[in-house]
Amino acid sequence: AQSVTQLDSQVPVFEEAPVELRCNYSSSVSVYLFWYVQYPNQGLQLLLKYLSGSTLVESINGFEAEFNKSQTSFHLRKPSVHISDTAEYFCAVGGGYQKVTFGTGTKLQVIP
Amino acid sequence: DTGVSQDPRHKITKRGQNVTFRCDPISEHNRLYWYRQTLGQGPEFLTYFQNEAQLEKSRLLSDRFSAERPKGSFSTLEIQRTEQGDSAMYLCASSTSGRQDTGELFFGEGSRLTVL
Repeated sequence: AQSVTQLDSQVPVFEEAPVELRCNYSSSVSVYLFWYVQYPNQGLQLLLKYLSGSTLVESINGFEAEFNKSQTSFHLRKPSVHISDTAEYFCAVGGGYQKVTFGTGTKLQVIP
Repeated sequence: DTGVSQDPRHKITKRGQNVTFRCDPISEHNRLYWYRQTLGQGPEFLTYFQNEAQLEKSRLLSDRFSAERPKGSFSTLEIQRTEQGDSAMYLCASSTSGRQDTGELFFGEGSRLTVL
């Protein structure tokens, strides 16, 4: 069985400030880890993923996430947010022959 | 457009009626998933197919729900005798398996169901 916990349902942050969205997972097997983003009135799309290798993964728009096996975490960070980052962010675990399980999501609200 | 497409995008129905949603995955993807998303929640797994075989079905899925993927291409999700609690966004996603499997899901824009 696998599960994902996103404790923060909403995170307000001022523009150009740093942000961290927290994600903890539970799984009995090795898994892939993902962050998906859903912009207003759009479908879910992949932001970044950890499959293996370097524990720090980056997206093309400045987000990064670090896989921490001992803490079973995969927190998402960005050093300076932009208004266009306003969206809902979902952490997910699974892949391969495991179904992908999503967390409940964190709404990031960037304040001008 | 070679993305995942879902039809209809919106469906309003009366309680007790049957509804069917269709999903056309990305053509080279052999895996197809159905998820349900309600307000304030993340996508909830319903079922998934590899080619035409239904490999897993959520225990939360009642017998009123059935999904098919008869030729390993498009899929349908039918809900019989709809209830108000079925109101949600139904999401379809596809992916590849095997050596090219990165676990990434490609989502459609969803089919929103409202049961009156």
